Amino acid sequence: EPEVTQTPSHQVTQMGQEVILRCVPISNHLYFYWYRQILGQKVEFLVSFYNNEISEKSEIFDDQFSVERPDGSNFTLKIRSTKLEDSAMYFCASQQGMVFKNIQYFGAGTRLSVL
Amino acid sequence: AQKITQTQPGMFVQEKEAVTLDCTYDTSDPSYGLFWYKQPSSGEMIFLIYQGSYDQQNATEGRYSLNFQKARKSANLVISASQLGDSAMYFCAMSLDNFNKFYFGSGTKLNVKP
Repeated sequence: EPEVTQTPSHQVTQMGQEVILRCVPISNHLYFYWYRQILGQKVEFLVSFYNNEISEKSEIFDDQFSVERPDGSNFTLKIRSTKLEDSAMYFCASQQGMVFKNIQYFGAGTRLSVL
Repeated sequence: AQKITQTQPGMFVQEKEAVTLDCTYDTSDPSYGLFWYKQPSSGEMIFLIYQGSYDQQNATEGRYSLNFQKARKSANLVISASQLGDSAMYFCAMSLDNFNKFYFGSGTKLNVKP
């Protein structure tokens, strides 16, 4: 069964460092998302991406964040200068099309720890 | 503003019993979708079941069913014949017609006792 793949599963970094979280969405999907989940809290939307551009972003997604689809398969989230409060689980999701019954399929997440 | 509320932070159920996990939502949009996801301790988010706002019948997927009461704005998940492997966090989520991002509830941690 096709699945969304995220690497690495756990990333430890020092405050101020840049990190890139990688995702390989399901191959025939067109819409891509990043969410984050701070430990013990609810899952929060960060950004959605379609047709090689951001379609929507939350207020969390400030200038420190960027997304890219550098080739036909990868979808990346970059945090330029990490802060302690960026420590969270980051989920990538993909969706086939923009209709309700198209479910968002989530990857297993990358746990980011900022020290 | 859109909102999803899960009022049960934790639930216990005996193995083989049925359990209902509550979810209420708030939106003024007439067109929306409701989803339930399971998050085991390993962390991944697993899709369980979907209900559209215009669906006339309650959704079912195997042991999972959704008790959709539109007038009350509730979308409770019913798990029948609980198994030990059902122990996990369960999240209710909503998406709207024009904006496909998900709004998530705070989750319910389900423990299935042998």
